[in-house]
Amino acid sequence: GQQLNQSPQSMFIQEGEDVSMNCTSSSIFNTWLWYKQDPGEGPVLLIALYKAGELTSNGRLTAQFGITRKDSFLNISASIPSDVGIYFCAGPEYGNKLVFGAGTILRVKS
Amino acid sequence: GAGVSQSPSNKVTEKGKDVELRCDPISGHTALYWYRQSLGQGLEFLIYFQGNSAPDKSGLPSDRFSAERTGGSVSTLTIQRTQQEDSAVYLCASSSNTEAFFGQGTRLTVV
Repeated sequence: GQQLNQSPQSMFIQEGEDVSMNCTSSSIFNTWLWYKQDPGEGPVLLIALYKAGELTSNGRLTAQFGITRKDSFLNISASIPSDVGIYFCAGPEYGNKLVFGAGTILRVKS
Repeated sequence: GAGVSQSPSNKVTEKGKDVELRCDPISGHTALYWYRQSLGQGLEFLIYFQGNSAPDKSGLPSDRFSAERTGGSVSTLTIQRTQQEDSAVYLCASSSNTEAFFGQGTRLTVV
């Protein structure tokens, strides 16, 4: 199946800093999804991207669908303590089955 | 219901016993996934159901693991003869197209 490479594996940042993480695939995706998982909860969908080059914002979050359709990034501006969690990228391979990246663990120092 | 519901939320079982984990997907969602997650780790794919198609069981770690989806709705993940390494959070997700929605998970502890 397709492989999604997500980086960085973890980040420990100061409150107020901006955060950037990205995801690359070995082949073309038609959709990119970004999820956040709070401790003790299931992942929650943050942003969905459906078009190459698309840039979408959701509050302090901004995500882009790479022009090559093989990558996507997620930015968080002015991080706050509640941004802590695991962020996953995902995209559909055959038959719409989602494949997930390994996740980026975000820790915030207040 | 409004979201994906999983039960029980927590399960403690003795090594060697069988367990059943239940997932009620969002009504009308044709796709259903099971994942396993160890503490602080990523999502380990277990099994994928899509409509009436044969399920993708490629992620099941051993023949002790099985899953069913009855009537295209509720799914049950069964682990036979549980081992301590089966301890993890088991997450279910459902989808009508591409976007998947997750339940809260079942935390399984094998003692």
